[in-house]
Amino acid sequence: AQRVTQPEKLLSVFKGAPVELKCNYSYSGSPELFWYVQYSRQRLQLLLRHISRESIKGFTADLNKGETSFHLKKPFAQEEDSAMYYCALNSGNTPLVFGKGTRLSVIA
Amino acid sequence: DTAVSQTPKYLVTQMGNDKSIKCEQNLGHDTMYWYKQDSKKFLKIMFSYNNKELIINETVPNRFSPKSPDKAHLNLHINSLELGDSAVYFCASSLRGGSGYTFGSGTRLTVV
Repeated sequence: AQRVTQPEKLLSVFKGAPVELKCNYSYSGSPELFWYVQYSRQRLQLLLRHISRESIKGFTADLNKGETSFHLKKPFAQEEDSAMYYCALNSGNTPLVFGKGTRLSVIA
Repeated sequence: DTAVSQTPKYLVTQMGNDKSIKCEQNLGHDTMYWYKQDSKKFLKIMFSYNNKELIINETVPNRFSPKSPDKAHLNLHINSLELGDSAVYFCASSLRGGSGYTFGSGTRLTVV
């Protein structure tokens, strides 16, 4: 069965500090992984997908199949990055499975 | 133009009532979903549906039923509402087998 684990419920960092939001997954096949962001009381928005290997709003994430991880990183946090971040896994034929989310709080 | 729209945005109702939440997408997607986000912000799949197949999460009570009049709509009907049903419900859509989900803005349901 697919599983996505985000070990941190809350991550607080100072503005300008580096950020790393952790995500580990469990899936026997070839996964497709995503990061979604939810700003306060808004809809979920796609932030990154691993296949596109792009950087959005300064965030990057690399799929590490050996460690079954897809950590989200940003070198310098900004206050507007404060939000809920969800890691998600797509196995193709079943709906997207989400981790429990990490609330990022960037302190001025 | 809103790609995935849900109505109502807020719904406050009494225990025991029956209510529906509507969802419409104009993206030409063939698969739609309902997710529940609880008070701890956990997101859990409730249903996925395309014109051929309904997949139900087995943990969803049968008081919840999806209704799809056509490919662009997937409504959520809830019977005999309970306090524990209070949550934010998100509709989403995608192409079957495709990976990009587009979410609606959510319906905040409060059962009193």
